[in-house]
Amino acid sequence: QLQLQESGPGLVKPSETLSLTCTVSGGSIKSTRYYWAWIRQPPGKGLEWLGNIFYSGLVSYNPSLRSRLSMSVDPAKDQVSLKLSSVTAADTAVYFCASLDFTNYPFFDSWGQGTLVSVSS
Amino acid sequence: EIVLTQSPGALSLSPGQRAVLSCSASDIVSSSYLAWYQQKAGQAPRLLIYGALTRATGVPDRFSGSEYGPDFNLTISGLEPEDSAIYYCQHFINSVWTFGLGTKVEI
Repeated sequence: QLQLQESGPGLVKPSETLSLTCTVSGGSIKSTRYYWAWIRQPPGKGLEWLGNIFYSGLVSYNPSLRSRLSMSVDPAKDQVSLKLSSVTAADTAVYFCASLDFTNYPFFDSWGQGTLVSVSS
Repeated sequence: EIVLTQSPGALSLSPGQRAVLSCSASDIVSSSYLAWYQQKAGQAPRLLIYGALTRATGVPDRFSGSEYGPDFNLTISGLEPEDSAIYYCQHFINSVWTFGLGTKVEI
């Protein structure tokens, strides 16, 4: 059973860069079964897919955020990282990492508990 | 642009009743990419259904998925108090993993 855990600062100033890490346990980040995704949820709102990355480094980003997003993977540490630049209050959200299973039908099957990031001066 | 629309926005039902939640695409989409998630307050979403029809591991059989052309339904039969949650559908549209706005179910 995969377990995912997000970590990073809970408060980021406007115009700065939000940085989060997702640590995967209970399985290998090098599994060819999964992509590793970031999904966020503003308070009281719905879910927004940010992007996903394969262990090889192959990435897909949401076009609406592509210019500000960067994802990377560290297979040695079983970690995936997210960087979102030039943040504003609109980026305040709970950020989840999730495994995207592409074995047959694709779906997000394991999720981290999420970490709230607030953008404020 | 294909849009996912969930209906109703909210519903309030009693234990034992049946809930039918709808997820409609504005154009024909593949059922292979349609999934349903349950999110309880303060928790991460939980996968319920994938491929429009298949229950995820450990999901009670009172949850079922169906499809009718561009429309997909999640049916919860014999509602239990712990089914109170927001339910989201999800699809892969225009290379973006897209979630509906959700249906809030109150028991």
